[in-house]
Amino acid sequence: EADIYQTPRYLVIGTGKKITLECSQTMGHDKMYWYQQDPGMELHLIHYSYGVNSTEKGDLSSESTVSRIRTEHFPLTLESARPSHTSQYLCASSGQVNSPLHFGNGTRLTVT
Amino acid sequence: GNSVTQMEGPVTLSEEAFLTINCTYTATGYPSLFWYVQYPGEGLQLLLKATKADDKGSNKGFEATYRKETTSFHLEKGSVQVSDSAVYFCALSAYNTNAGKSTFGDGTTLTVKP
Repeated sequence: EADIYQTPRYLVIGTGKKITLECSQTMGHDKMYWYQQDPGMELHLIHYSYGVNSTEKGDLSSESTVSRIRTEHFPLTLESARPSHTSQYLCASSGQVNSPLHFGNGTRLTVT
Repeated sequence: GNSVTQMEGPVTLSEEAFLTINCTYTATGYPSLFWYVQYPGEGLQLLLKATKADDKGSNKGFEATYRKETTSFHLEKGSVQVSDSAVYFCALSAYNTNAGKSTFGDGTTLTVKP
């Protein structure tokens, strides 16, 4: 039962296109995160937010941007997609401090 | 800074075998510790957690004990099934370090053969 929703699940798009990956959660969590997961399965934090109008870059540099206008919504945008952006993108949220993360099912992006 | 080191994979076992996936951590203060599981084509989901020393987390036959003296949180299961085939991630979260962000290990891929 998913409380955090990501769309689309799969996206194949040409180089240079602008894309937005959607992430929404229904749990009222303040903290939200975007991770990039490479084929070796390692997770890399690329963006996070601790509340509305708060966004920070993560540990891995990314050309994507994020916004947090509403608590439940944390979209990720790539202004000009490139083949190097091909990856799986996972969105997550958490509530109280030291509580576990809730993950969406991910968006698998392929840029041709 | 915080770090998590977990056993390298992949791990391949026969059904009903005993499973151990080692996880050690470095953190200041008193982190909470987690194991997450990722099935093919899905996101990560929480498998079990422990919030203080000597706590034992358990779920679906899996167990892990928070060992502060050895800074470890090894995952164990007495008898694995084919359906346990997945990627397992050890993680920690510490309120007063790393801005409260989670730190993940690199993941261990488990394949269970019938």
